[in-house]
Amino acid sequence: ETGVTQSPTHLIKTRGQQVTLRCSSQSGHNTVSWYQQALGQGPQFIFQYYREEENGRGNFPPRFSGLQFPNYSSELNVNALELDDSALYLCASSPAPHRGTDTQYFGPGTRLTVL
Amino acid sequence: GESVGLHLPTLSVQEGDNSIINCAYSNSASDYFIWYKQESGKGPQFIIDIRSNMDKRQGQRVTVLLNKTVKHLSLQIAATQPGDSAVYFCAENPASGATNKLIFGTGTLLAVQP
Repeated sequence: ETGVTQSPTHLIKTRGQQVTLRCSSQSGHNTVSWYQQALGQGPQFIFQYYREEENGRGNFPPRFSGLQFPNYSSELNVNALELDDSALYLCASSPAPHRGTDTQYFGPGTRLTVL
Repeated sequence: GESVGLHLPTLSVQEGDNSIINCAYSNSASDYFIWYKQESGKGPQFIIDIRSNMDKRQGQRVTVLLNKTVKHLSLQIAATQPGDSAVYFCAENPASGATNKLIFGTGTLLAVQP
């Protein structure tokens, strides 16, 4: 176990709705990254948060947004849900965003289904 | 564009044999690589990592080899066990900016036959 927790485990929403996913990072880690993993694919980087600020973003539209709190926990918000947003959403924590030096440890993920 | 790909989507081995999972990457500037194991219904689990200034690194029953000349990465698992059955991903950290993001391949399914 990595110590990274995510909630909820599963979620079902309908198209057009909004969703908030939550992540608690491993103790001592101040950086949180979010990934989207479609069925049968590798995880795709959404964005990263460090010291409550967005620190890099992948190729995802603005309706994907996030927050990081002073205790380093994080939220991923997705507005105007689309069917293609159905995926496993993974949170990963690491000690600091020093490129190439810090391994990312993943939580169990939240399975989002959009109907 | 940047990509990390795998040669074989499925690898079937007999229990006790050695397994080799291969991965090709396209960004020659990438300087950090990680192998993850993902079991059904779980998040990716860190196995082993290697930096670009190394060509080999060993862990417990696992070895990662990096060939920068041909941009190739491999994961060797010794004495494969049924518990090793999972999808294995290689990931690279491209040398672009201060964000510690990872680019993943599509994965290789390792099936261990008893």
